[in-house]
Amino acid sequence: GEKVEQHESTLSVREGDSAVINCTYTDTASSYFPWYKQEAGKSLHFVIDIRSNVDRKQSQRLIVLLDKKAKRFSLHITATQPEDSAIYFCAASVYAQGLTFGLGTRVSVFP
Amino acid sequence: NSKVIQTPRYLVKGQGQKAKMRCIPEKGHPVVFWYQQNKNNEFKFLINFQNQEVLQQIDMTEKRFSAECPSNSPCSLEIQSSEAGDSALYLCASSLSSGTGLDTQYFGPGTRLLVL
Repeated sequence: GEKVEQHESTLSVREGDSAVINCTYTDTASSYFPWYKQEAGKSLHFVIDIRSNVDRKQSQRLIVLLDKKAKRFSLHITATQPEDSAIYFCAASVYAQGLTFGLGTRVSVFP
Repeated sequence: NSKVIQTPRYLVKGQGQKAKMRCIPEKGHPVVFWYQQNKNNEFKFLINFQNQEVLQQIDMTEKRFSAECPSNSPCSLEIQSSEAGDSALYLCASSLSSGTGLDTQYFGPGTRLLVL
């Protein structure tokens, strides 16, 4: 089955700088790639997603890039703010199947 | 913000006991997913439904786990005989997807199960 590897387990960034989280997947049939944010003691909050028919998507300060050849996708958080501090999970889905998640990246934004 | 409702928020059971948790999907969302998140942040997809029909489930859920989404009632996930390894956060998500798995899944707050 699908496996998703999230390359950074922790990331520490200065406020205002960019944070980049990289994920790779194994199943070429995967076609949907969402990102979720989880704050301490809370559930998963959807932040952005990308489908396999595009290679870039932006929503305000968030940019997602998808490289299907390399089976890699990444989340760029630009102009980071303290409230961006959380654990971010990438995920991948093959048609009609549940999501396969990475192990999460703990992002800390310091002043 | 997600409007998926999960109850109870916390559940404590002894080994061998039944554990049941419920989920009300967002209004108008016909597809419901159940996931297990353990303390190491490993997620496991368990089962999903479109309306009352099972779309997909993993082998684990065919044994001690059972789930249903009856019409006009909350969806539920039940563990028939809890084991220590079942201690985890159980997350319910719903989506507008017609079952393709390609639509945004919105998660509820989860039920944290502790099996003593």
